[in-house]
Amino acid sequence: AQSVTQPDIHITVSEGASLELRCNYSYGATPYLFWYVQSPGQGLQLLLKYFSGDTLVQGIKGFEAEFKRSQSSFNLRKPSVHWSDAAEYFCAARSGANNLFFGTGTRLTVIP
Amino acid sequence: DAGVIQSPRHEVTEMGQEVTLRCKPISGHNSLFWYRQTMMRGLELLIYFNNNVPIDDSGMPEDRFSAKMPNASFSTLKIQPSEPRDSAVYFCASSPGTGVGEQYFGPGTRLTVT
Repeated sequence: AQSVTQPDIHITVSEGASLELRCNYSYGATPYLFWYVQSPGQGLQLLLKYFSGDTLVQGIKGFEAEFKRSQSSFNLRKPSVHWSDAAEYFCAARSGANNLFFGTGTRLTVIP
Repeated sequence: DAGVIQSPRHEVTEMGQEVTLRCKPISGHNSLFWYRQTMMRGLELLIYFNNNVPIDDSGMPEDRFSAKMPNASFSTLKIQPSEPRDSAVYFCASSPGTGVGEQYFGPGTRLTVT
């Protein structure tokens, strides 16, 4: 069955520290992969996407993600976190059909 | 670009009342999605349309829920009659339907059924 797993429910980092949010997928073939961010009271905003080519993808707000086929992973990273990055982050995957499968989300808290 | 527009942003209603949520997708997008988000169940896909035709409604919880897309620029999600367990944030998203199929989300409608 198709699935997207985000093993970390909640992560806390200090402002200025590096960040890595984990995402693993289970699909028959390599899916299209996405990261979204949701600030409190807001809709989901697309951070970045991967479908082929360079396995390191750059997104908005200084985020990047690396696709690793051998690990079925698509982890999101940021070298230096800002207080405004506190939000909920969702990994999603699409394969074939139009609909996306979303992970359960990781809540990021940033402490001063 | 105005993005996906949803109305109302907040809705409070009493149990048993009919609720209609509205969505205007991004112009030129041919796929539209309705999601429900709750603390307990996270983000759930309810139904999606492609070229105004419902493709997959397997996520619609029960017959009290219905969705329509009469044209490419408008969709509704109706709950009749509403129940307290329907309280959630309902998101509409649209996709260009080409390329990688990324979805663009509206701001959501927060529904409270008392």
